[in-house]
Amino acid sequence: EVQLVESGGGLVQPGGSLRLSCAASGFIFSSYSVNWFRQAPGKGLEWLSYISGNSRTINYADSVKGRFTVSRDNAKNSLYLQMNGLTAGDTAVYYCVRDSYDGGDYRHGDCWGQGTLVTVSS
Amino acid sequence: EIVLTQTPLSSPVTLGQPASISCRSSQSLVHRDGNTYLSWLQQRPGQPPRLLIYKISNRFSGVPDRFSGSGAGTDFTLKISRVEVEDVGIYYCMQATQFRTFGQGTKVEIK
Repeated sequence: EVQLVESGGGLVQPGGSLRLSCAASGFIFSSYSVNWFRQAPGKGLEWLSYISGNSRTINYADSVKGRFTVSRDNAKNSLYLQMNGLTAGDTAVYYCVRDSYDGGDYRHGDCWGQGTLVTVSS
Repeated sequence: EIVLTQTPLSSPVTLGQPASISCRSSQSLVHRDGNTYLSWLQQRPGQPPRLLIYKISNRFSGVPDRFSGSGAGTDFTLKISRVEVEDVGIYYCMQATQFRTFGQGTKVEIK
């Protein structure tokens, strides 16, 4: 079964840092690009970052550029998001999301994790 | 940044009746590779989103055929032919032509 499981969320003070992890299983992780998205309580969805399978291509949303860093370890089937300089506006559920490419077809967001909640508060 | 505007934001529907959601983009979603990367996602209460439709009109694996997508360029539509109880939730359009952005979401509920 294809699965993505996020971890590392929790309560952090403003200005603090947190590192999220996403464990992938059920597929060849290195062959897929993955993203981080988030959803603030009661709000819509926001894309944060993208990393290709070989880590050669990395993109960030303007809202997190310079504060968040995405990385992956294909040997460990894991994706990471290092978050620094956190503010109350970063409070959200953070999702790890896979893109797939099969037979010439891109399926963006074909698998989502359950999410991990990050709360930034003093 | 590409802005997606969904209408309506709320859609009360009678069971068994159709529902339609519009998604309009601030610019063409045709990618330089010729494809249009417009997807639709469903988020049931308390659940993460799941992919329903990709590249305008392709149903993802396991998605019932009562869901269909259409459109081109800047105007897209998701249709549910006969709404069932399990369809209650929020529906988002998402573009992946230029990074990713989402519509505001449309809440589908039963009248």
